[in-house]
Amino acid sequence: GQQVMQIPQYQHVQEGEDFTTYCNSSTTLSNIQWYKQRPGGHPVFLIQLVKSGEVKKQKRLTFQFGEAKKNSSLHITATQTTDVGTYFCAGSGRGAQKLVFGQGTRLTINP
Amino acid sequence: EAEVAQSPRYKITEKSQAVAFWCDPISGHATLYWYRQILGQGPELLVQFQDESVVDDSQLPKDRFSAERLKGVDSTLKIQPAELGDSAMYLCASSPGTASSTDTQYFGPGTRLTVL
Repeated sequence: GQQVMQIPQYQHVQEGEDFTTYCNSSTTLSNIQWYKQRPGGHPVFLIQLVKSGEVKKQKRLTFQFGEAKKNSSLHITATQTTDVGTYFCAGSGRGAQKLVFGQGTRLTINP
Repeated sequence: EAEVAQSPRYKITEKSQAVAFWCDPISGHATLYWYRQILGQGPELLVQFQDESVVDDSQLPKDRFSAERLKGVDSTLKIQPAELGDSAMYLCASSPGTASSTDTQYFGPGTRLTVL
């Protein structure tokens, strides 16, 4: 079945440093979504990418979808303590109705 | 802002007992999802409803788990009997569209189950 892998599993940075998490799928995706889960919280939708090579920005967050639609990345510039949490990618294959979540990257920040 | 409601927020039970979780999606949302999230992992889909119909329950352990959404609104997930390995967060989510993977999913706060 479809698998979505994320690396790294954990990332600890100093406040102000950049952060990147990578998502790789075993199959070509029709779309990919990114969610953020704060400690003790529930996943909250951030963004969706559907086009090959698509790049979207939300303030300090930059999301990319690979040309082959099998990988994606989330980059945070100049992290702040409010960025703490676990970032999940979730993708679906062509014709699929469900999202498959990666295992997440947990970001912690030293103020 | 409308939210997905879940209850209870926490549940402690002994193995072999029955447990039930309730979810009330955002009003008007046609699709409802139940996920299981083990600590340190991503959510895993257990069952997906469109209105009152099951769209996908391929990962639902049907020997002990059951889910229903009788009137196409709120939903109940039941485990009977609970096993130690069922300890996890059970998340409910809803989306406005008709079981499309491109819909934004809105998650509830979850029910944290501990089986002793």
